[in-house]
Amino acid sequence: DAKTTQPTSMDCAEGRAANLPCNHSTISGNEYVYWYRQIHSQGPQYIIHGLKNNETNEMASLIITEDRKSSTLILPHATLRDTAVYYCIVRVSGGGADGLTFGKGTHLIIQP
Amino acid sequence: DTAVSQTPKYLVTQMGNDKSIKCEQNLGHDTMYWYKQDSKKFLKIMFSYNNKELIINETVPNRFSPKSPDKAHLNLHINSLELGDSAVYFCASKWRGGPGELFFGEGSRLTVL
Repeated sequence: DAKTTQPTSMDCAEGRAANLPCNHSTISGNEYVYWYRQIHSQGPQYIIHGLKNNETNEMASLIITEDRKSSTLILPHATLRDTAVYYCIVRVSGGGADGLTFGKGTHLIIQP
Repeated sequence: DTAVSQTPKYLVTQMGNDKSIKCEQNLGHDTMYWYKQDSKKFLKIMFSYNNKELIINETVPNRFSPKSPDKAHLNLHINSLELGDSAVYFCASKWRGGPGELFFGEGSRLTVL
């Protein structure tokens, strides 16, 4: 699986959009970009994933650059409950029994 | 109803003891996992089971023995506990043929004294 690089931590004001970057310059053509988050003392939670098109769901939007070497997770209106560690993971299609390899992630702190 | 449930949530025990952590998922998934999150917060996969069959064993000491009595359960038994086994253990599940979304339990915090 391709490696990812994320900032260690970020701050965002409550109510503003939180934009979390992820670099994955060695991503392969068949690898997806997944985002998970882990709120303190809880299990990781799936947010969104995509291959090359931008994706949006009720939690967030995922913007993938045209060359697929980086992506941005956008939380449109951050709340205090969005404070968590956010993991960007790239791997081949979700089929198969392989698990996900988690890096260090970005600790996002939402400020009141 | 909790989708992936683990018991116990907290476990404090002495070195050398044997303990088990249980996991059950009611999502109808066919693949289950155990992950370990250490004090540095790194989340690492330990085991993967598909339809009760071991798929992945990530160089985990053989003191750790997962057991899957059926597709909905994956238990973790640990023999001769060591201080370094102290961690939070997460169970997860998914459809093997699915899009890759893993559902995690709330974790079991093991403290070895």
